[in-house]
Amino acid sequence: NAGVTQTPKFRVLKTGQSMTLLCAQDMNHEYMYWYRQDPGMGLRLIHYSVGEGTTAKGEVPDGYNVSRLKKQNFLLGLESAAPSQTSVYFCASGGTNTGELFFGEGSRLTVL
Amino acid sequence: QKEVEQDPGPLSVPEGAIVSLNCTYSNSAFQYFMWYRQYSRKGPELLMYTYSSGNKEDGRFTAQVDKSSKYISLFIRDSQPSDSATYLCAMSVTGGSYIPTFGRGTSLIVHP
Repeated sequence: NAGVTQTPKFRVLKTGQSMTLLCAQDMNHEYMYWYRQDPGMGLRLIHYSVGEGTTAKGEVPDGYNVSRLKKQNFLLGLESAAPSQTSVYFCASGGTNTGELFFGEGSRLTVL
Repeated sequence: QKEVEQDPGPLSVPEGAIVSLNCTYSNSAFQYFMWYRQYSRKGPELLMYTYSSGNKEDGRFTAQVDKSSKYISLFIRDSQPSDSATYLCAMSVTGGSYIPTFGRGTSLIVHP
């Protein structure tokens, strides 16, 4: 029973490098989300998707892009990483419109 | 003022104590109220959710909503060291809101 799986779990980048975080869910959920969590800041929504082929901006979208080509996958891309993007990134999915979310274990990204 | 306010703590209690965790909010349209628990270096997991006002009990946990005061609580009876975690409240409106609004979380430490 995998739920929400994020890869990679850890990554170190140099400023200017690019990378993609992959999120996969096996619950057939329509809604998927990418959050970042920083000390004292709580969870901040980066981008989200309400169905296959759709994406929308959240609270802090700058510097990130996303794609949802398949219902079960939601990709988060950083085209040119900056030290301010050092954070823990969480993917979540939800099957209802009530806000009940299922989270992955997180991906720790450090940008030097 | 943030839409959802939550004291970050930390809240330190002895084992066996009754714990009260709280959030206040400003948006009267919120109808779904959720509590998530997040262990260190893990993703948040949904603990309880309630719809509209009233109480909901699940084992040692009780969620309470007071819409007139815009105040929600999570009570933990007979607290255990394994309850040590960060607790995040979240809430959303009815009618197709896919995006919950999270509090910043309260860190709870239950010491033996």
